[in-house]
Amino acid sequence: QKEVEQDPGPLSVPEGAIVSLNCTYSNSAFQYFMWYRQYSRKGPELLMYTYSSGNKEDGRFTAQVDKSSKYISLFIRDSQPSDSATYLCAMSPNSGYALNFGKGTSLLVTP
Amino acid sequence: DSGVTQTPKHLITATGQRVTLRCSPRSGDLSVYWYQQSLDQGLQFLIQYYNGEERAKGNILERFSAQQFPDLHSELNLSSLELGDSALYFCASSVSLAGGRNTGELFFGEGSRLTVL
Repeated sequence: QKEVEQDPGPLSVPEGAIVSLNCTYSNSAFQYFMWYRQYSRKGPELLMYTYSSGNKEDGRFTAQVDKSSKYISLFIRDSQPSDSATYLCAMSPNSGYALNFGKGTSLLVTP
Repeated sequence: DSGVTQTPKHLITATGQRVTLRCSPRSGDLSVYWYQQSLDQGLQFLIQYYNGEERAKGNILERFSAQQFPDLHSELNLSSLELGDSALYFCASSVSLAGGRNTGELFFGEGSRLTVL
């Protein structure tokens, strides 16, 4: 079993929809949680960064961490075609460690 | 543009050959990470260097090696290549804090796409 599990999708939604992306993990030592967005043929870029449990909001994006359930989520409000990309969750036990990534969820937002 | 530069962007070679991938981190970043991305395995951590020293090893094969030079650029050497080594290889760098720690945010390059025929 991989330490980080993520449904690969693909997920297709109409423009304006609320998108929910999720990851589960098995390592209770993880404390740093991130979401990266990767466009086709590009490197991943950081979207959201959360330490420990709780919620964090940045514009149309909200990240949630539930450490008791070992479950993290990314919500995208008012989704746009430009949000079409692969979304990868990533986590680590310590800020000095390499990140463990999920396999990514492919999202398509249709006009 | 993340500020991380990787060369070459594309590379096609034959089984049994050896290749070298190059990475220049963002200005001021002391840590460099190498990741391999394939369709079935996702992003797999290979190795991390901090200021020229190996800091952590992930799922790196013995046929693969890396180093970080005094000017902080890094090279990933892949030898005795097999068909299964075909993948995207990413380099990332991170903001460096005191004591070799980092903020956790990795900045990725555009990747080097390796095809082994």
